[in-house]
Amino acid sequence: AQSVTQLDSQVPVFEEAPVELRCNYSSSVSVYLFWYVQYPNQGLQLLLKYLSGSTLVKGINGFEAEFNKSQTSFHLRKPSVHISDTAEYFCAVRFSGGSYIPTFGRGTSLIVHP
Amino acid sequence: KAGVTQTPRYLIKTRGQQVTLSCSPISGHRSVSWYQQTPGQGLQFLFEYFSETQRNKGNFPGRFSGRQFSNSRSEMNVSTLELGDSALYLCASSLAGENFPVFGSGTRLTVV
Repeated sequence: AQSVTQLDSQVPVFEEAPVELRCNYSSSVSVYLFWYVQYPNQGLQLLLKYLSGSTLVKGINGFEAEFNKSQTSFHLRKPSVHISDTAEYFCAVRFSGGSYIPTFGRGTSLIVHP
Repeated sequence: KAGVTQTPRYLIKTRGQQVTLSCSPISGHRSVSWYQQTPGQGLQFLFEYFSETQRNKGNFPGRFSGRQFSNSRSEMNVSTLELGDSALYLCASSLAGENFPVFGSGTRLTVV
């Protein structure tokens, strides 16, 4: 079965430090990849997406992610985090050739400490 | 452009009751999907509607149902509520399903 794994359920980090949130998927077919952010008591907001082309994708709020086909990964990075980045982050994958309903990871809680 | 609107934002219901949640998609979006989010199970897909027809369905019991109207607005209904149905219910819309979905703020349902 196709799946998405977010390797860390919680990532604590100090303000202005870099952060990487990891996402791996299991698939041998082409994929479309997304990262969403969810702030408390809100819905999911799209951070960035990879559909095709350059494997380095830049999103909103200074986040970026790199698609690595050989490692089936799509890790999210930010060089310097702010307190306001504290939120839940979800990786999602849509597998081509099948249902276009995206499969979501379990989420990673990013906690930024002052 | 208005976003995806979900009403109500919060609901408290008693076990055994039924509930209806509403979702108005972004204007022009014809696909509406519903998700259940809980701390234990994460984000789980319920169903997707396109042009008033259910096009995809997740692995939920028949107590969970939905429909879509001609203006693309959608409702989901949960009958005979159980404590385990307490969750944040998220609606998402997209142009035709194949694009990335845009989410609403959700309806938080508490069953007591």
